[in-house]
Amino acid sequence: EIVLTQSPATLSLSPGERATLSCRASQSVSSYLAWYQQKPGQVPRLLIYHASNRATGIPARFSGSGSGTDFTLTISGLEPEDFAVYYCQQRSNWPSLTFGGGTKVEIK
Amino acid sequence: EVRLVESGGGLIQPGGSLRLSCAASGFTVSSNYMSWIRQAPGKGLEWVSVIYDGGRTYYADSVKGRFTILRDNSKNTVYLQMNSLRDEDTAVYYCARDPTVGYGMDVWGQGTTVTVSS
Repeated sequence: EIVLTQSPATLSLSPGERATLSCRASQSVSSYLAWYQQKPGQVPRLLIYHASNRATGIPARFSGSGSGTDFTLTISGLEPEDFAVYYCQQRSNWPSLTFGGGTKVEIK
Repeated sequence: EVRLVESGGGLIQPGGSLRLSCAASGFTVSSNYMSWIRQAPGKGLEWVSVIYDGGRTYYADSVKGRFTILRDNSKNTVYLQMNSLRDEDTAVYYCARDPTVGYGMDVWGQGTTVTVSS
């Protein structure tokens, strides 16, 4: 099983600041990595697929990068609606699609 | 409109069974990979099971032998039959559409809550 480790667990930032979230895989997943956003009481939403491609309707302030074992989700200029929990998911080792433990982005 | 609606959750005693349903509209479940994902209270996301477009099924080790994923093409619905339920199966269960390997789970249902408790 591929283990995904997300850091930090919690990120305290102010609106307008830049958020940098990390996801590290226990073995290479190439570029088969997705990012999801989950707001409190809501359903997860696909943000990024194949490491760096924004899903339909996702604002340009969200960007993904990385390959192999190290990946980054960047939110350039946090909006109030961006405060949420973010999960990475590896899509290399089918069918066992593991998720990371999540990073909570909270208002400082 | 592309949509998934889950139902069937509830309170069940340990050792009991439940069948969750995931009804799709706006697309055909048999043309997609369809997954079940769960989220225990206050915890992260855990992949549970998937049914491929061709019908092959796979399970997380934590549910293998106890859960079965099914599909009824005539009803455009996916099911999760859960047997021998344990306390640790308590979670919100989501179904999700997974169009291709290199994409992601792009449509999610609203979730249905399963509580296993005596």
